Amino acid sequence: DAGVTQSPTHLIKTRGQQVTLRCSPKSGHDTVSWYQQALGQGPQFIFQYYEEEERQRGNFPDRFSGHQFPNYSSELNVNALLLGDSALYLCASSPGQGQGAYNEQFFGPGTRLTVL
Amino acid sequence: AQSVAQPEDQVNVAEGNPLTVKCTYSVSGNPYLFWYVQYPNRGLQFLLKYITGDNLVKGSYGFEAEFNKSQTSFHLKKPSALVSDSALYFCAVSRYNTDKLIFGTGTRLQVFP
Repeated sequence: DAGVTQSPTHLIKTRGQQVTLRCSPKSGHDTVSWYQQALGQGPQFIFQYYEEEERQRGNFPDRFSGHQFPNYSSELNVNALLLGDSALYLCASSPGQGQGAYNEQFFGPGTRLTVL
Repeated sequence: AQSVAQPEDQVNVAEGNPLTVKCTYSVSGNPYLFWYVQYPNRGLQFLLKYITGDNLVKGSYGFEAEFNKSQTSFHLKKPSALVSDSALYFCAVSRYNTDKLIFGTGTRLQVFP
């Protein structure tokens, strides 16, 4: 059973560009959350998708947007990149509501984004 | 607002000795508490969780954690440390099932041979 997968592994962009990161959730999971982990920091919640809609959002600007597809996979888009967007972007999946007892979030290996 | 504090940036322990990694939290209502571990260039791996019930929670790789409501703490423990336990450990809290996770800043555990 494949876990959470993310692509690409690494990415280098320049300021002002746009980037798209992709995530496939663990089999049987329908909820996808995205986190940003800056160097030396804990992950910070960006947003969560369930049933193709954004269900929760953290304190991130509108430059950060996302999408969830009918197969539950998800994309994170960041526009007008800033140097401060350089970070490890983590995707996590979990079973959604109505799945019974609380289930922990499973994380992918992350995408390392470097903005020059 | 929810928050998590991990007061130690680094914990050093000799192999075979017991280890403790500290975590305190702040959340309205009953907390859902988690420990994750991160190895270099890897994502986060789930270790254990507290939702309700017994205050002592056992998890993966011999780790356990004790929930203390009065002290709002959820310290991670292991009776005998291994060199392979050296990694970055994160404590996290949420308020309900499917809620976002709020993470601490992490504690680097270094186990010396």
